[in-house]
Amino acid sequence: GQNIDQPTEMTATEGAIVQINCTYQTSGFNGLFWYQQHAGEAPTFLSYNVLDGLEEKGRFSSFLSRSKGYSYLLLKELQMKDSASYLCAVMDSNYQLIWGAGTKLIIKP
Amino acid sequence: GAVVSQHPSRVICKSGTSVKIECRSLDFQATTMFWYRQFPKKSLMLMATSNEGSKATYEQGVEKDKFLINHASLTLSTLTVTSAHPEDSSFYICSARGLGADNQPQHFGDGTRLSIL
Repeated sequence: GQNIDQPTEMTATEGAIVQINCTYQTSGFNGLFWYQQHAGEAPTFLSYNVLDGLEEKGRFSSFLSRSKGYSYLLLKELQMKDSASYLCAVMDSNYQLIWGAGTKLIIKP
Repeated sequence: GAVVSQHPSRVICKSGTSVKIECRSLDFQATTMFWYRQFPKKSLMLMATSNEGSKATYEQGVEKDKFLINHASLTLSTLTVTSAHPEDSSFYICSARGLGADNQPQHFGDGTRLSIL
């Protein structure tokens, strides 16, 4: 079956760095997406990785290793507004998005 | 760019009412639109995928006669929850993907919170 695993919840301190991991097993691979979802709101697109390596976009970076079925989202200089759920989603061979359950990130002052 | 508008944002209505939710891509043409449902503290659940001009593809367990989807143009898809009941109360979110490669990111509307009394 297809499976996306990410931690349920993480806590970090304002100003610090946090890494949210995602491992996947899917039928085929056409890219991995990270989305941010604040409580009660719809997800917003953060990043897309299809090749191995690190993609940096401001305070957020996303890494992919296809051989390991592994990705992480790195958030630097954490701000209180970064408190949200972070969703990992993999596009399989049929271009269907398989969603993880999301990681709730709690930022403490 | 890539703005998706979803309307209404919130609906409260009586049991037995049918509710229509609109999803529009404002600045791009959406060949494919997706409808999701999300329960509190749970992940997104794909309900159906709709392609412009053709019938929607429903996920297993989703009643197509209950959740009517129409994708009549490249910028508009609608979801109608027919004869809604309290168990249909949920957060419904649409997303759209533009023309071009199928691995384009999906862009989400703001969601519709449906409460059936």
